Amino acid sequence: EAGVAQSPRYKIIEKRQSVAFWCNPISGHATLYWYQQILGQGPKLLIQFQNNGVVDDSQLPKDRFSAERLKGVDSTLKIQPAKLEDSAVYLCASSLDSETSLREQYFGPGTRLTVT
Amino acid sequence: AQSVTQLGSHVSVSEGALVLLRCNYSSSVPPYLFWYVQYPNKGLQLLLKYTSAATLVKGINGFEAEFKKSETSFHLTKPSAHMSDAAEYFCAVSFSYGGATNKLIFGTGTLLAVQP
Repeated sequence: EAGVAQSPRYKIIEKRQSVAFWCNPISGHATLYWYQQILGQGPKLLIQFQNNGVVDDSQLPKDRFSAERLKGVDSTLKIQPAKLEDSAVYLCASSLDSETSLREQYFGPGTRLTVT
Repeated sequence: AQSVTQLGSHVSVSEGALVLLRCNYSSSVPPYLFWYVQYPNKGLQLLLKYTSAATLVKGINGFEAEFKKSETSFHLTKPSAHMSDAAEYFCAVSFSYGGATNKLIFGTGTLLAVQP
């Protein structure tokens, strides 16, 4: 079975520019997550989708970050405008559903963003 | 509130030696606990998870962890380290919050180095 796909793998931009990341979850997985992993820290959940609806976006900086999952399959995370502190690895994960906290989350390889 | 603390951001062992990575949790409800491993430039991979069925949990690659409620701990061990075990390890707790289930809170990670 194909894993979670993310692109691009690396991105370097200047502050105040915009950037978008794409994620394609494992086929059939209803729940999709975006995490931000700053160097030296554990991943932090930014947003959680159940199908095409947002379940939790309490930690998403909504003044500059946005995410969508229009058809309930792949998803895009956007940053506009970027700040230096947005430099991090952005991880996408998916799980079969979110009915139970035992559902395993499968992670993609991540997109490493450097803001200069 | 749920949280995870990993003691020791860096651990170094000799090849063939015991690996012990420490994780303590705080949870107001019975927790579900996980250990993930992250190899360089890769996404997180599940090593094992505690589901309340048994306190000693066996995972992949010879790792195991023991849930100790009295100590609020979920330490990861492996009897004999291999060079291929060098990676970063994350402990995580999963819980339901508001309308969001299957929300993972990660520790800050422990980087394991294996010396020949």
